[in-house]
This record gives sequence, C-alpha cells and structure tokens, in this order.
Amino acid sequence: SQTIHQWPATLVQPVGSPLSLECTVEGTSNPNLYWYRQAAGRGLQLLFYSVGIGQISSEVPQNLSASRPQDRQFILSSKKLLLSDSGFYLCAWTGEVYEQYFGPGTRLTVT
Amino acid sequence: RKEVEQDPGPFNVPEGATVAFNCTYSNSASQSFFWYRQDCRKEPKLLMSVYSSGNEDGRFTAQLNRASQYISLLIRDSKLSDSATYLCVVPDNYGQNFVFGPGTRLSVLP
Repeated sequence: SQTIHQWPATLVQPVGSPLSLECTVEGTSNPNLYWYRQAAGRGLQLLFYSVGIGQISSEVPQNLSASRPQDRQFILSSKKLLLSDSGFYLCAWTGEVYEQYFGPGTRLTVT
Repeated sequence: RKEVEQDPGPFNVPEGATVAFNCTYSNSASQSFFWYRQDCRKEPKLLMSVYSSGNEDGRFTAQLNRASQYISLLIRDSKLSDSATYLCVVPDNYGQNFVFGPGTRLSVLP
C-alpha cells in the first residue's frame, strides 16, 4: 500500500533562517506530488505541484521553492523565512482518479 | 464568484441529528469532486468521491447537481466522532490543480 512521509513534524525557526521540508512517497511510482500550506484557521493553499522529476509548477509567487530530485521525493525550501511563512505544510500525492492523499504535515512556526 | 465556496458554518448539532453541507464551484467543466474531513491539527483525509449524480457510504451521502454547480454532503445519525471540518475539493480537468474550499466546521454535541 502507498504511504507518504513528511519530516520534521514540527519546526520552530527564526525569521531569516533557511528551511527544508522533505516528503517521500512509498508504494507508487511517478506520482503527482503537491505542497500545500494551511495558515491558522484558514483553508489549504496550493504552493507547488510536480508531475515528474525536475518538473515543478508554482501556484503562488513567494519566497519558497520546491524541488523533486527523485521520483518519490519532494522538497520544499526557503533561503530566508518570513513570519508569514508560519503554517501547516502538507505534502500530497494523487491517485488514479484524482483523489489526493496527504502526509501527516509539518507545523512550522517562524519567530 | 470564488472557485469553490462552502457553507460558512459552524454547524452545532445534537447527536443523532441529520446535517447537510453545500459546496458550489465555478468550473462547469469539472468532472470529479471530493469531500475530505480534517480533524484539528491533522491532515485532511478523503471521505467521499463524487463522479456522477451522487455517492452513498453508510451514514454519508454526497450528491452532485451539475446544472446548479453544487455538491452536498449529508450526514445522518450524527456521532460525536463526526466533529471535524469538512472540505470540498474540485480538481481541474487534468487532475493537476486542486482547489479546496474553505471548509465547514461541524460540532456534534452530546
């Protein structure tokens, strides 16, 4: 069966520091992968999606970037965090009929 | 019109009640729709898929009205464990871009 992992689970970082969040998927090949952010009390905002290695589409211009170095690995990065980057970051992959499955998420607090 | 809108909530209902949520979407070409539930501080989890007129799974029924461009979620015999935020999701035609509604919060009270 397919599983999706994210780490770390929680993170507290100062403003201006770098960020790297990792997501890996097991049990499937060539999945579409997604990064979402959910601010406190808000809905999910799509940040990036990838349909294959090295292919990244950005939905929202910001100081974040994404990379997909391997088929089942998706990384979210920032060179300098802002206070507004705080939130719940979720990675997801898409099944055969477009249903999405989410990882457990990373809760980021920028101080 | 926003791409996906949902009943603002919150809905506070007693155990055993029947409750319905609505979701409207703007992309008339959308073919598939999903309901997710999200517990506090957890990831969203797939509840139901809707591809044609509707879908039923136990106490949960989802219905699709393409002419009016809305989907609904009906929960019968509400349980305390149904308390969560319910998200409506509409993918684009290629299954590459997903638009989530803002969610409707449900609290089932004892």
